[in-house]
Amino acid sequence: DTGVSQDPRHKITKRGQNVTFRCDPISEHNRLYWYRQTLGQGPEFLTYFQNEAQLEKSRLLSDRFSAERPKGSFSTLEIQRTEQGDSAMYLCASSLGEPGIYEQYFGPGTRLTVT
Amino acid sequence: GNSVTQMEGPVTLSEEAFLTINCTYTATGYPSLFWYVQYPGEGLQLLLKATKADDKGSNKGFEATYRKETTSFHLEKGSVQVSDSAVYFCAHDNTDKLIFGTGTRLQVFP
Repeated sequence: DTGVSQDPRHKITKRGQNVTFRCDPISEHNRLYWYRQTLGQGPEFLTYFQNEAQLEKSRLLSDRFSAERPKGSFSTLEIQRTEQGDSAMYLCASSLGEPGIYEQYFGPGTRLTVT
Repeated sequence: GNSVTQMEGPVTLSEEAFLTINCTYTATGYPSLFWYVQYPGEGLQLLLKATKADDKGSNKGFEATYRKETTSFHLEKGSVQVSDSAVYFCAHDNTDKLIFGTGTRLQVFP
């Protein structure tokens, strides 16, 4: 297996546009996480899925953000009406279960720049 | 609330020097503790972890001991190499997610 992949790696968009990112987790991993990392900060949790069910969403995830994992495999994160404050690295991670027992494997991230 | 505090970087060392990166946490219950590393141009990787008090996590010459009494998980290495240059993140788990510190950049010079 090649690990967690994310697409695109970089995205530049104008304020007000919608963007969608994709994450392909490691096969057989039933948990999939989204984090956001801004410059000089650590990753901040956004949301996670257990199979296709979205089990938790952070308060950071405003109404403009939506995430799906329709068949319990890949996931998409959509941001509507982007704002400059959305500029960040969006990280995806997958695991076999809870963090204390199973390692979270991170993808390379999608860097979003909103102009 | 739940949080992780790390020493600010960058930490600049000569090769073979001793490394300590301090980390303290605030959490409810008894979290597991982690150190993740991000090498230049690469994604986050788990470096080591400890799941209960007094456990020592170790990997690649790095060590960290879970100190419940001081709520700390300091990262140490006896002799750093240039290849250890990276950003190091301390984290703990909170229910089903990870809470990260802000990261500490380590620069090792030959």
